[in-house]
Amino acid sequence: KAGVTQTPRYLIKTRGQQVTLSCSPISGHRSVSWYQQTPGQGLQFLFEYFSETQRNKGNFPGRFSGRQFSNSRSEMNVSTLELGDSALYLCASRTGTGGNEAFFGQGTRLTVV
Amino acid sequence: AQRVTQPEKLLSVFKGAPVELKCNYSYSGSPELFWYVQYSRQRLQLLLRHISRESIKGFTADLNKGETSFHLKKPFAQEEDSAMYYCALDSNYQLIWGAGTKLIIKP
Repeated sequence: KAGVTQTPRYLIKTRGQQVTLSCSPISGHRSVSWYQQTPGQGLQFLFEYFSETQRNKGNFPGRFSGRQFSNSRSEMNVSTLELGDSALYLCASRTGTGGNEAFFGQGTRLTVV
Repeated sequence: AQRVTQPEKLLSVFKGAPVELKCNYSYSGSPELFWYVQYSRQRLQLLLRHISRESIKGFTADLNKGETSFHLKKPFAQEEDSAMYYCALDSNYQLIWGAGTKLIIKP
């Protein structure tokens, strides 16, 4: 079966702009979560969606938002980009029941200049 | 506070030598712990979960609640084990990650 697909793979944006990243989970998976990965902070949780509802949110400013559609695809949006938002953004797909494996996408590499 | 600690950023061992990657956690309740691995140019993937008690690619990990540890072990390292290893704690629909350990297997 197809894996987790993230688009685009690479993005270069200017400070102050906004960006939308997309994630298509594995078919049948209803949970999608997003993580930010940076060399300094490692992997940090952004938010998790299950059946279009946000069940948890990490400690990120309100500029970071997300949503999930009825087909389980998810998008995350970052507004008013800052240089510090440059990171690899990873999407993870799970069935939605507890303790199961998370499947990761390849990530979107965002560079803010 | 819930936390995962991997004390070693880098671990370098010779091929055939034993490997132990350390992971300690802080969590109130029964933890659900995982080891994920990222090989060069590949995506993060699950290596082990403590619930399954499996041995994958020769790796095992035992949950020690008394020491709040979930160390990853392999008796004989192979060159293809070179990768980045992350310990993660499942809590409230999120994975809490350790900083990761880069494992280098020398020939």
